[in-house]
Amino acid sequence: EAQVTQNPRYLITVTGKKLTVTCSQNMNHEYMSWYRQDPGLGLRQIYYSMNVEVTDKGDVPEGYKVSRKEKRNFPLILESPSPNQTSLYFCASSLDYRTNEQFFGPGTRLTVL
Amino acid sequence: SQQGEEDPQALSIQEGENATMNCSYKTSINNLQWYRQNSGRGLVHLILIRSNEREKHSGRLRVTLDTSKKSSSLLITASRAADTASYFCATDAYDSGYSTLTFGKGTMLLVSP
Repeated sequence: EAQVTQNPRYLITVTGKKLTVTCSQNMNHEYMSWYRQDPGLGLRQIYYSMNVEVTDKGDVPEGYKVSRKEKRNFPLILESPSPNQTSLYFCASSLDYRTNEQFFGPGTRLTVL
Repeated sequence: SQQGEEDPQALSIQEGENATMNCSYKTSINNLQWYRQNSGRGLVHLILIRSNEREKHSGRLRVTLDTSKKSSSLLITASRAADTASYFCATDAYDSGYSTLTFGKGTMLLVSP
């Protein structure tokens, strides 16, 4: 089944404790992206990747890192999480940047205390 | 970055009625997409309309695009309780050699039996 998977689905952590949210897609998509969704603010793009080893900042990249060493994986790294990063996070992928019809993962609900 | 803005923010109708949601945006686009999100879950792509198209249909969905007014509408005909969800428009603009997809804040649709 074609899908985007994220892990973990739920995470409660404390300020400053490094964490990684994994994202994997099995559709051989070139383009991958991370969003955060907050009430009243909609979805905002954090980082995106047009292909392996190519990543770039979205609208709200501060406090986040990403890497794209393999085509299928695009982990989101929070080196020192803070409470304002409490949010619902979505990973998405699309065939390429030109197509841009995106397939979304199920989401990761992160709480930083 | 430009952003689609949906209107209304919330819509409540009875089963069998039609639901219309509108999206306005600010600058030129390559295409406009509509997504659906069931509570707390990942977004699902519904339909894409290109900038040179004026209307598109998919099942009970009808999307129109007016590039002169920078607006789009999503019509769901003969709505069902299962259509209850949030609906987002996303504008795809070509900028500096790559495509960016920017989401609006969404319309919450409640369809009552």
